[in-house]
Amino acid sequence: DAKTTQPPSMDCAEGRAANLPCNHSTISGNEYVYWYRQIHSQGPQYIIHGLKNNETNEMASLIITEDRKSSTLILPHATLRDTAVYYCIVRAVKTSYDKVIFGPGTSLSVIP
Amino acid sequence: AAGVIQSPRHLIKEKRETATLKCYPIPRHDTVYWYQQGPGQDPQFLISFYEKMQSDKGSIPDRFSAQQFSDYHSELNMSSLELGDSALYFCASSLGDSQETQYFGPGTRLLVL
Repeated sequence: DAKTTQPPSMDCAEGRAANLPCNHSTISGNEYVYWYRQIHSQGPQYIIHGLKNNETNEMASLIITEDRKSSTLILPHATLRDTAVYYCIVRAVKTSYDKVIFGPGTSLSVIP
Repeated sequence: AAGVIQSPRHLIKEKRETATLKCYPIPRHDTVYWYQQGPGQDPQFLISFYEKMQSDKGSIPDRFSAQQFSDYHSELNMSSLELGDSALYFCASSLGDSQETQYFGPGTRLLVL
C-alpha cells in the first residue's frame, strides 16, 4: 500500500472549517483514500473514503486532486468533539479483508 | 445501527496469567480484525479472520492466538502475559466479499501488573 504524509498537528477554531491535508504521491490506480479518526482512547471511527471523485457524507468532505497524489479532508464546521487524531490511509482494496495500516496521523485540536 | 461489541471493556491481569478478549462483529459481517494500541502509539494490526479462516497475520506474538467461531464472533487468547502487553485491543469487522469498510469496536483496555 502507498505511504501517506500528514502534518503531525493542526489547530482549528470552533465553528470554522478544518482542512486536513494528506500527501500520497505513490498511490496506485486501484488504491482508495480512506480517512479514520480516533478520539482519545476510543475505537477508530471511519469517516469517508474515495477513489478519484470528491466525496461528501454527513461527517465530512473528501477532495482528491486530479492526479490523486494528495487529498484534503474537510470538516465544514468543527466542534470541540472533533478534537482527535485523523488518519489518512491508502488501501488497495483487492479484497475487503485487507488490514488497515495506521500511520502517525494528524492531531487536530479544535479551540473554543 | 448495531456496532462492534467487545468484552470485557477493561481487564486487569497479573504477569504470566492468561486473558481472553471477545469480539462480536456487526450483524452479517463475516470478517474480523484485531489491533493492538500501546500507550502513545498508533493501532497495530495483529490478525484477521474471514469466514472462520485466518486471512492475514501481523505482528502477533506467539503467546497470542485467536479464532473465529461459526457465529462469526472472535476471541483473542493471550497467555503468559507480560507487562508490555498492557494496551488497548480493538476489534474491527467488515463484510468480506465486498469492498465494505472496516468498523471498529470500542476496545478492551488490558492492564498487566
